[in-house]
Amino acid sequence: EAGVAQSPRYKIIEKRQSVAFWCNPISGHATLYWYQQILGQGPKLLIQFQNNGVVDDSQLPKDRFSAERLKGVDSTLKIQPAKLEDSAVYLCASSLLAGGRGETQYFGPGTRLLVL
Amino acid sequence: AQSVTQLDSQVPVFEEAPVELRCNYSSSVSVYLFWYVQYPNQGLQLLLKYLSGSTLVKGINGFEAEFNKSQTSFHLRKPSVHISDTAEYFCAVTLGSGNTGKLIFGQGTTLQVKP
Repeated sequence: EAGVAQSPRYKIIEKRQSVAFWCNPISGHATLYWYQQILGQGPKLLIQFQNNGVVDDSQLPKDRFSAERLKGVDSTLKIQPAKLEDSAVYLCASSLLAGGRGETQYFGPGTRLLVL
Repeated sequence: AQSVTQLDSQVPVFEEAPVELRCNYSSSVSVYLFWYVQYPNQGLQLLLKYLSGSTLVKGINGFEAEFNKSQTSFHLRKPSVHISDTAEYFCAVTLGSGNTGKLIFGQGTTLQVKP
């Protein structure tokens, strides 16, 4: 079974530029998550989708971050414009059902973003 | 609000020695508890999780954890570590009911296994 795929693996941009990350979850998984992991910290949820609807985006900086999951399969996370503090690893995860009841989340390898 | 505290940022240990990575959580409601491992330049992999039932949970790679409700702890243990266990370990919680699956992670503990 293929795991969660993410691209690119690494990205270096200058501040005020825009960047986009792509995630393809495990086939058949209904719920998709985007986490931000700043160096030395644990991951923090940015946004959660169930199918193509948003479940939780309370910690997404909506003035600069946006995400979509068209057709309820793969997803794109965009940052525009980027700030220095956006330097982090962006992890995508998926789970089979609605995400509750202690479901296991399966993580991709992440995209490491460096903003100069 | 839930929070997770991992009491040690780094744990150095010699190969074949036992290890314990400590995790405490705070929550006014029941929670589900998880331990994830992150190898360099990789995503997170589930080691084990506690949902209900027996408080001693066994996971992959010889790891186990014990849920202690009175002490609000979920410490991870392994009786004999290998060099390959060198990685970052994250404790996480999510609400036990009515939740969306949102994981709250601790800051992580770096396990350094020395030969």
